[in-house]
Amino acid sequence: DAKTTQPTSMDCAEGRAANLPCNHSTISGNEYVYWYRQIHSQGPQYIIHGLKNNETNEMASLIITEDRKSSTLILPHATLRDTAVYYCIVLIIQGAQKLVFGQGTRLTINP
Amino acid sequence: DAGVTQSPTHLIKTRGQQVTLRCSPKSGHDTVSWYQQALGQGPQFIFQYYEEEERQRGNFPDRFSGHQFPNYSSELNVNALLLGDSALYLCASSLLTGSYGYTFGSGTRLTVV
Repeated sequence: DAKTTQPTSMDCAEGRAANLPCNHSTISGNEYVYWYRQIHSQGPQYIIHGLKNNETNEMASLIITEDRKSSTLILPHATLRDTAVYYCIVLIIQGAQKLVFGQGTRLTINP
Repeated sequence: DAGVTQSPTHLIKTRGQQVTLRCSPKSGHDTVSWYQQALGQGPQFIFQYYEEEERQRGNFPDRFSGHQFPNYSSELNVNALLLGDSALYLCASSLLTGSYGYTFGSGTRLTVV
């Protein structure tokens, strides 16, 4: 079973920041938080990951709370192409690993 | 740099038949994982191959089997197809620990009639 909880759906206006929350209250000290997204009929796409520090790349920012029990993915200037299902996953980077997907958040960017 | 390549993109099979799906990993990756995604659901882990051996397996029956070749490419075989096997089958390549992320292919859409 997935170890994360996400809202089923969210809406955001084009050009605004999209903030996607994720709860992972049972995360252990050596588990990373990963975010993937899946645009309709395509394979999931890696966005960003982090352990405890906030992370930023060309796609998004990841804010992890100090207690690591939740995180927020931020798309700073959402475009229509960001409409997708976003998955938050916790994962240990050690040995053979697999991604355990939950239901994800269906993000719709509105014009 | 080619990413993950899956073939075929679409496939229609009859119940009871057998199917083979193929995956070529991203250059530099040595591990291949397979996922099944039913309509409206998140992907479900089937199994993972590294060094030509199955390293992990999800909750799938023995009808699902796989293989990894010396060039790291992989096949997923499903025997005795059921209507419920209709799904998008995704291949993901990575390094074993996944520490640099997983790269997914666009998938094979299998329809069993």
